[in-house]
Amino acid sequence: NAGVTQTPKFRVLKTGQSMTLLCAQDMNHEYMYWYRQDPGMGLRLIHYSVGEGTTAKGEVPDGYNVSRLKKQNFLLGLESAAPSQTSVYFCASSYIIGGADQPQHFGDGTRLSIL
Amino acid sequence: RKEVEQDPGPFNVPEGATVAFNCTYSNSASQSFFWYRQDCRKEPKLLMSVYSSGNEDGRFTAQLNRASQYISLLIRDSKLSDSATYLCVVNSVGRNNDMRFGAGTRLTVKP
Repeated sequence: NAGVTQTPKFRVLKTGQSMTLLCAQDMNHEYMYWYRQDPGMGLRLIHYSVGEGTTAKGEVPDGYNVSRLKKQNFLLGLESAAPSQTSVYFCASSYIIGGADQPQHFGDGTRLSIL
Repeated sequence: RKEVEQDPGPFNVPEGATVAFNCTYSNSASQSFFWYRQDCRKEPKLLMSVYSSGNEDGRFTAQLNRASQYISLLIRDSKLSDSATYLCVVNSVGRNNDMRFGAGTRLTVKP
């Protein structure tokens, strides 16, 4: 049981390049999330999805796009990378029971540097 | 004002000490509360949920004060392995499980 798997784990990009981060979960969770974590700021939600084929904006969505074509996968895209997007990116997933929030399970992160 | 605020620390305590962290939140309608633990360069992991009546899990006790809008985490008999950053997490009502994270409180337990 792998839980939440993120690929790649590290990446260095040049300004203006594009890339896609992949998140896969094998827990059959409905909800999936992408966060970024910067020093002193905690995790900030970029986008999330409440089910296959649906996505929604989080706290800091600008410069990112997402897709959830399959329930188990949630992709985060950077169309034109900027140095301000240098961060550690975490994917998470969770389920809901009777409308009550359940804890989120996290992948081990992707360290992204934009030069 | 941030939705979730924590004292960043660091808290440096000796083994065996009792340490407490507080976390305040701004949305009075928040309903779900959690404490996560994050080790250096690792992903956050759930430590415990926080229930209205307060709850305990071994050496860890969590409390919720809705009137004052804060939650607390008490660690008794601190171990070296408790050294980590502790994240307070509060849901943002009306946004489908949209959790808001505090920046974390760093704890170092020393021999």
